[in-house]
Amino acid sequence: DADVTQTPRNRITKTGKRIMLECSQTKGHDRMYWYRQDPGLGLRLIYYSFDVKDINKGEISDGYSVSRQAQAKFSLSLESAIPNQTALYFCATGVGWEDQETQYFGPGTRLLVL
Amino acid sequence: KQEVTQIPAALSVPEGENLVLNCSFTDSAIYNLQWFRQDPGKGLTSLLLIQSSQREQTSGRLNASLDKSSGRSTLYIAASQPGDSATYLCAALPLRGSQGNLIFGKGTKLSVKP
Repeated sequence: DADVTQTPRNRITKTGKRIMLECSQTKGHDRMYWYRQDPGLGLRLIYYSFDVKDINKGEISDGYSVSRQAQAKFSLSLESAIPNQTALYFCATGVGWEDQETQYFGPGTRLLVL
Repeated sequence: KQEVTQIPAALSVPEGENLVLNCSFTDSAIYNLQWFRQDPGKGLTSLLLIQSSQREQTSGRLNASLDKSSGRSTLYIAASQPGDSATYLCAALPLRGSQGNLIFGKGTKLSVKP
């Protein structure tokens, strides 16, 4: 079984709809991240969480919210989806400190907002 | 603000060729530099992590180097194979304000022709 799973893997929605992307991990890592990837722009950080009680905004948090329901679960919500939120979304977990810090990524959710 | 650039954006080579992928970063104050591989539908996989105090790391046919003073890292792939076809991303972990926030380049899409 995959260590970091994302559901759904693909989603089509309409402008104005509220949707939630879910992420679960079995790695036991405290740190979790949400990124989006757009062609020509690379990966950009949306939100990150260092533990259940710690939520932080990333580079592009506007229009998004998150919930850390448990150590293993980190959900991303789009309260009112808009077409420019069409992208590939990745969840990741983080481990290690300072120069040994690295991240493990889920397979991604491809979102299309019409 | 740290910026990471990868050149070229795409590369096509015949099988068996040795090749080099380039990554540059604007701020040498980093904890580490990481190389990831991205396959369609499978997310990102960590290939190599070079700590700030190291000059290079090797894993099988892969060798990554780091020169902080010039702000450059290279990923060398020996005897390329069609299975190496993927997008390769480098990411820097900044010292300042990092909190695990990897800064990614846009990637180099590699195609190895049989």
